[in-house]
Amino acid sequence: DAGVIQSPRHEVTEMGQEVTLRCKPISGHNSLFWYRQTMMRGLELLIYFNNNVPIDDSGMPEDRFSAKMPNASFSTLKIQPSEPRDSAVYFCASSFGTAGTEAFFGQGTRLTVV
Amino acid sequence: AQKITQTQPGMFVQEKEAVTLDCTYDTSDQSYGLFWYKQPSSGEMIFLIYQGSYDEQNATEGRYSLNFQKARKSANLVISASQLGDSAMYFCAMREGNFNKFYFGSGTKLNVKP
Repeated sequence: DAGVIQSPRHEVTEMGQEVTLRCKPISGHNSLFWYRQTMMRGLELLIYFNNNVPIDDSGMPEDRFSAKMPNASFSTLKIQPSEPRDSAVYFCASSFGTAGTEAFFGQGTRLTVV
Repeated sequence: AQKITQTQPGMFVQEKEAVTLDCTYDTSDQSYGLFWYKQPSSGEMIFLIYQGSYDEQNATEGRYSLNFQKARKSANLVISASQLGDSAMYFCAMREGNFNKFYFGSGTKLNVKP
């Protein structure tokens, strides 16, 4: 398996533009996580899907952020409109849904909003 | 309350020496998992070691071992014979709850000196 695949790897966009980050989890995994990492706030969990259903979105910073998982092999994180403070590395991770299984992370998307 | 606490923002260790990275956790669940991840400067998140809450033996993986003290709710990572390539950020994580959500600590930056 190729692992968790995120695209794009790097994104530079202007303030106010819509940004869509994409994630393909490992086949067979039924849990998917979106994280945001910054120097100031560390690794923050934004949203967690289990069997394609959003279980906990309490980490989504505001209404400008939305996430979907239309099927087991694809998820998106959208920011509309984007702001400079959204600049961060966004990670997607997937796993089986049991307490004893590790999460596998994608390479991350480095987002810069100018 | 924080689910995962890592009290050491930064650590230095001499090459070839052992180092312990501290992690305490907070849960009322009986079944949970504890994990350590490494994040080198290149940015990827690498899974290192796992300890289940019911495991009586401390987990070991090569030079990594997890010092699990259940009553104290601590899960310290021990790296033996440090190498220069061990210089990285290290995250402690816990998985618990009905949907086995992941919680990450704030991380410890380890620098290995030659």
